[in-house]
Parts: sequence; structure tokens; C-alpha cells
Amino acid sequence: RKEVEQDPGPFNVPEGATVAFNCTYSNSASQSFFWYRQDCRKEPKLLMSVYSSGNEDGRFTAQLNRASQYISLLIRDSKLSDSATYLCVVSLGGGYQKVTFGTGTKLQVIP
Amino acid sequence: NAGVTQTPKFQVLKTGQSMTLQCAQDMNHNSMYWYRQDPGMGLRLIYYSASEGTTDKGEVPNGYNVSRLNKREFSLRLESAAPSQTSVYFCASSYRGETQYFGPGTRLLVL
Repeated sequence: RKEVEQDPGPFNVPEGATVAFNCTYSNSASQSFFWYRQDCRKEPKLLMSVYSSGNEDGRFTAQLNRASQYISLLIRDSKLSDSATYLCVVSLGGGYQKVTFGTGTKLQVIP
Repeated sequence: NAGVTQTPKFQVLKTGQSMTLQCAQDMNHNSMYWYRQDPGMGLRLIYYSASEGTTDKGEVPNGYNVSRLNKREFSLRLESAAPSQTSVYFCASSYRGETQYFGPGTRLLVL
């Protein structure tokens, strides 16, 4: 089983739609969780951290379910500019340097 | 503030040639990383340096060496390039190992 698993997509959605991505992780000792965004042929960039209580940043909402070991990202009112690959990232934290990236979910927002 | 810079941006090598990928960060981060990204494989950690003076192997270290020259710079060396090392290489840095900031990447083709 992969340490971090994501549906590769692509998710093709019309502008204005709501889309959700899930990510599962295998190591129950994982402590920190993130979503990164990667545009085509560019470097990954931090989109948002994921907190236990869930958190929101504008149109983006991230949730963590420790019991089921998954995190989610919800994008409301999709924009063309949201088209990218979204990477789920899991860290053991505690000063340990190991961070594991998922392979990403590709989103294409269609006019 | 340039963030994380990488050189070169593109490189073509013949099998058996050697080269060094350079990475520098100006954010005073303690930790630095080298990843490779291949289609369908996601980001895989090659080597990391938790702090100046230390380096450790990641998931795929074979065929690579690294040098943490000082706090700012972390280089990746391919001693004898192989076609399997054709990839996009990203350098990243972080303060404590969690939120990582990436350079723009080096696209390497080994013939």
C-alpha cells in the first residue's frame, strides 16, 4: 500500500462547480498534513495546511479525519485558474524530516 | 528575496557523463531537500539535509551524491548519468521540515 494515495483524475468540472478531492495515508503516526498545488511544468507550492478541526481559506476548505486516515480538499465556485494538480502531503512531524507527497490529482476547470 | 533558486534549468547529458545541480536558498532555512519527479510516480526524495553539516539518504539515493556546502547551498551530483535518471529535479527548503518551498526545477535528459 502506498504511504499516500490520491485519485489521479483528471477531474473535469465546469466553472462555478464544487469539486472535492480525497487523500488517504497509511501511517497512523502522521502528524502534519498539507495540500500543495502544482501548475503544469512548475514547482509545487503550498496551498494550505490541514488542521484537525478543519480549516477554510476563501473558496478552499480542508478537512482531516484521523480515524479513517484521510484528508480532503473542497473547492467551491471553481475558476479557470484553479486548473492544476493538487498534491496531498503528509509529515511525521516532531522534527523528523520525512515528508511524503501523493502523486497528485489533476483538476481541469472548463469554461 | 529570490526564495529557492536552481541551476541549470535544462540539461542534456550522454550516458556516463557527470554533472552537478546547484541549489541555493535565501530564507535562512535549516533543512534542504532534493526530489525527483517522474510521471505517475510523484515526488520522490533523493537526499535531504536537516541542518548544515548533515545529509541523509531519502527514498531513491542510488546514483546520486550531495553536498551541503553551507546553510544556503545544497548541491546534487550525478557521477555517471544513466537514462533512468531522466527526470525533473526539484530542490526545496524548509525551516523545520514541514512546509517546504521549492525551486523552479531542473529538467534533465540523459541519452
